[in-house]
Amino acid sequence: EADIYQTPRYLVIGTGKKITLECSQTMGHDKMYWYQQDPGMELHLIHYSYGVNSTEKGDLSSESTVSRIRTEHFPLTLESARPSHTSQYLCASSEYEYSGYTFGSGTRLTVV
Amino acid sequence: QKEVEQNSGPLSVPEGAIASLNCTYSDRGSQSFFWYRQYSGKSPELIMFIYSNGDKEDGRFTAQLNKASQYVSLLIRDSQPSDSATYLCAVNRQGSSNTGKLIFGQGTTLQVKP
Repeated sequence: EADIYQTPRYLVIGTGKKITLECSQTMGHDKMYWYQQDPGMELHLIHYSYGVNSTEKGDLSSESTVSRIRTEHFPLTLESARPSHTSQYLCASSEYEYSGYTFGSGTRLTVV
Repeated sequence: QKEVEQNSGPLSVPEGAIASLNCTYSDRGSQSFFWYRQYSGKSPELIMFIYSNGDKEDGRFTAQLNKASQYVSLLIRDSQPSDSATYLCAVNRQGSSNTGKLIFGQGTTLQVKP
């Protein structure tokens, strides 16, 4: 049973709309991550957080923003969606510095 | 050069055979190494991790790590059609922020034919 939840699972939205992708985990993990993955391509880190009120941008430049007001919640927001934002967004969390990630089920975003 | 490199495949093996998946990495300071399985349209699932040189076995899976040569491999014994998926190698990146960020390879697609 998944302990990290992402909603929505699929989203089709028009250009210019503001969207928020939700991610919540019940494991009490301090470290949380957002990755972007295009079909057949590797995962690219776009944001990460190592605790409440601590967020950093990842390797891949992204127009999205994140917040971490509560340990369990790490939402990602796009202020103005564009077709170039079409991708799969994966949220993950980890317990320790050297532990692996647990991934959520992902949000497949299509901007038309 | 990519930080984590994998042959994208597809790697095709007959049912019951041993599948061998390989991964090389560039950061000598990397401490932990992970193998994830990703079915089409699904999110990655952790199947193995290894921290020290040598082999680690878990059921039909064996992870092998050679830090001197900077490669890590995954062997799947008695391959089953249900093993058909993309296998992602991930390496724990070191850095001053010390957040344990993982760097992923692009994955190797495995096809197990009945």
